[in-house]
Amino acid sequence: EAGVTQSPTHLIKTRGQQATLRCSPISGHTSVYWYQQALGLGLQFLLWYDEGEERNRGNFPPRFSGRQFPNYSSELNVNALELEDSALYLCASSLVTINTGELFFGEGSRLTVL
Amino acid sequence: GNSVTQMEGPVTLSEEAFLTINCTYTATGYPSLFWYVQYPGEGLQLLLKATKADDKGSNKGFEATYRKETTSFHLEKGSVQVSDSAVYFCALRGAAGNKLTFGGGTRVLVKP
Repeated sequence: EAGVTQSPTHLIKTRGQQATLRCSPISGHTSVYWYQQALGLGLQFLLWYDEGEERNRGNFPPRFSGRQFPNYSSELNVNALELEDSALYLCASSLVTINTGELFFGEGSRLTVL
Repeated sequence: GNSVTQMEGPVTLSEEAFLTINCTYTATGYPSLFWYVQYPGEGLQLLLKATKADDKGSNKGFEATYRKETTSFHLEKGSVQVSDSAVYFCALRGAAGNKLTFGGGTRVLVKP
């Protein structure tokens, strides 16, 4: 069974441009989560989608947005890129929406803003 | 809101040493608790979990016990190997929501 897949693996942009990152969840998973892992270690929650709807949003500006498609894949868009947006962006999916289930993570998309 | 605090690294150990990574949390309700591991160049993998008080999660020689009275979920391994070198994240999933809240991560380096 395929895991969570993310594309592109690496992306280089310049300040002011837009970046689009994509995520395909594990088959059957309806929830998709996005996290930012900036230089250092910490994981910051960005967005949670379930059944096509945005369910929760972290403390990020509106230029971070996304959507979930009918096949449950998801897209993260970052507009007006800033240098501090350089980070590893991790997507995760889960099968159930109860709090005992784990999230399954992809290997991430590394965004570099020059 | 929910929060997780874990000891800062890096933690440097010799092979076969005992490893403890402290993790404490703040949450309303009855969260589930997780340890994830991130090996170099890879995404996060679930290491173990516990979903209620006094549960013990275990995997690959690692253990952690959900202690509600001390709001802790410390990770332990009795004899580490070089292959255990990684970043370890403690996380909780609250009763009221579904996202994972992570601690800051602890880098562990095991030397031969």
